[in-house]
Amino acid sequence: AQTVTQSQPEMSVQEAETVTLSCTYDTSESNYYLFWYKQPPSRQMILVIRQEAYKQQNATENRFSVNFQKAAKSFSLKISDSQLGDTAMYFCAFQSMDSNYQLIWGAGTKLIIKP
Amino acid sequence: EPEVTQTPSHQVTQMGQEVILRCVPISNHLYFYWYRQILGQKVEFLVSFYNNEISEKSEIFDDQFSVERPDGSNFTLKIRSTKLEDSAMYFCASSGLAVSKNEQFFGPGTRLTVL
Repeated sequence: AQTVTQSQPEMSVQEAETVTLSCTYDTSESNYYLFWYKQPPSRQMILVIRQEAYKQQNATENRFSVNFQKAAKSFSLKISDSQLGDTAMYFCAFQSMDSNYQLIWGAGTKLIIKP
Repeated sequence: EPEVTQTPSHQVTQMGQEVILRCVPISNHLYFYWYRQILGQKVEFLVSFYNNEISEKSEIFDDQFSVERPDGSNFTLKIRSTKLEDSAMYFCASSGLAVSKNEQFFGPGTRLTVL
């Protein structure tokens, strides 16, 4: 069975700094997707970025980028020029292409951006 | 921009009562999901639904739970006899056609409180 591990329960950085959130996963599959979701205090789940496992190039979305290391089964999220609105829980999620696409979630990292 | 909606936003019920949580997925989506998040814990997959039947369900999704798409637009989760441990946020998600069905769009969630 697949598992997703986020080892940082909470992180705190100053506004405008860069922060990296870590995520590792375990799977025997070769075809899958990885996601980072943001959950602000409103508790809405918002997709931040996704990565297809077959792509070697790391995904980027504006200030958000990932460092995808397939062999190491690592998928970290980097937030550049952090903003107060980035304060939220961040969840890493794994999606197999072989099991009806259910998402397997990490425990989350609470990110606090300080002014 | 199309979005997934959920009602009610908060439901309070007595233990043993039946509750129905409602979701309206994005209109041209074909795959539907329910997840739950107990406060302070990770998000857990409950069930996926495609072509008017359950395609996959987790161990959590026991006989007390059922899903239905009664009218082609709503997607409901019913809990027959609620327990205290059913208190959680319940998220509905939907995804589209085969090419993009990996990306799940989430509703804002329903907070269920069982007293």
